[in-house]
Amino acid sequence: DVKVTQSSRYLVKRTGEKVFLECVQDMDHENMFWYRQDPGLGLRLIYFSYDVKMKEKGDIPEGYSVSREKKERFSLILESASTNQTSMYLCASSPTNTGEQFFGPGTRLTVL
Amino acid sequence: GEDVEQSLFLSVREGDSSVINCTYTDSSSTYLYWYKQEPGAGLQLLTYIFSNMDMKQDQRLTVLLNKKDKHLSLRIADTQTGDSAIYFCAESIRSSNYQLIWGAGTKLIIKP
Repeated sequence: DVKVTQSSRYLVKRTGEKVFLECVQDMDHENMFWYRQDPGLGLRLIYFSYDVKMKEKGDIPEGYSVSREKKERFSLILESASTNQTSMYLCASSPTNTGEQFFGPGTRLTVL
Repeated sequence: GEDVEQSLFLSVREGDSSVINCTYTDSSSTYLYWYKQEPGAGLQLLTYIFSNMDMKQDQRLTVLLNKKDKHLSLRIADTQTGDSAIYFCAESIRSSNYQLIWGAGTKLIIKP
């Protein structure tokens, strides 16, 4: 079974803090994705990566950065957290030859 | 640009059939997906259909694709309380590095 794990299920941070969200997949997938999910807005793509050290901006990259130093790990970084970044963050991975994405359980981040 | 639309809520009685609808705009879609998200969890692939198919059936699930109208539907027969979830429609288009274009999700509410 494909497994995508995220470092935390729940996280509470203060405005201005630097936040790291980690995602690890064990199926040797080339593609990895970070989304945020807000009620009524569905999934919005923040960044994705199609190879180690490669990244591309999604629809809402402002205020975020990413790092992919190893194939299995994709990190999302909030350089200076703000209250409007309170959200559910979902990581996903997919193999190159198909669009099917496999999701982690999500991290619910609250920024106070 | 590409867009996928779905209604935000659907309410059905237990035992009835649920039909969740989705429309999309990009005619170059290769696969169309239905994902299910249970409360507090990540997304799980429920079923998918290749764009050259009209219908796919899998136990209680029936997917219908009308390419001419760019309309996708998911029918759940004999809806149970365990079917309560948010259902996301997504399309995979080859030109976008296998990114998925997501609908906002339909929350399925089961009435006893």
